[in-house]
Amino acid sequence: QSALTQPRSVSGSPGQSVTISCTGTSSDVGGYNYVSWYQHHPGKAPKLMIYDVTERPSGVPDRFSGSKSGNTASLTISGLQAEDEADYYCCSYAGRYTGVFGTGTKVTVL
Amino acid sequence: EVQLVQSGAEVKKPGESLKISCKGSGYSFTSYWIGWVRQMPGKGLEWMGIIYPDDSDTRYRPSFQGQVTISADKSISTAYLQWSSLKASDTAMYYCARHRGDEPPRAFDYWGQGTLVTVSS
Repeated sequence: QSALTQPRSVSGSPGQSVTISCTGTSSDVGGYNYVSWYQHHPGKAPKLMIYDVTERPSGVPDRFSGSKSGNTASLTISGLQAEDEADYYCCSYAGRYTGVFGTGTKVTVL
Repeated sequence: EVQLVQSGAEVKKPGESLKISCKGSGYSFTSYWIGWVRQMPGKGLEWMGIIYPDDSDTRYRPSFQGQVTISADKSISTAYLQWSSLKASDTAMYYCARHRGDEPPRAFDYWGQGTLVTVSS
């Protein structure tokens, strides 16, 4: 079980959209519709933003959306805001009640 | 209000043992899987393992199997992560987190504040 692959960084101006990819294998991302995304501000606990590929927990703005195609999942942040600047991690169910995180992506708001 | 409160920062020497804790409140502790996540300095999050407190069913990511032990005491709503012989490479922030309640467990919805473990001679 290797970590899922994410771009090291993405950036955008306020109001723009950014998309973060998360590439795994047929044993994790491609095998289940159980991808979640977490926002992590340094020094704070991670926060669940998306679960089951597309579902948003209560309280998460609808600017955050998820999708998946094959072995690659994606998180899109629309209408980028300054407070969205953080590290983002995908996570996939990997069978046998285990999971695997992505390598993480730093989102910078220009 | 669901809360996970972790034990405080630890400074240990290589070879020493350690057990850190995560106390849950505001929900039925025995009904949700609890997991541990490692973040080494300057690195990303790593899924370590999970436990179901009701029956102590435990699952580990292969790279952590045999390196740590996850346990729980449901009588005091507390989960644990322990090492029998620490290494410098165990230096990291460790988070506990609760799974949402779906089967299979697949997303952490509440997180502890993290416990910083420093291993240095």
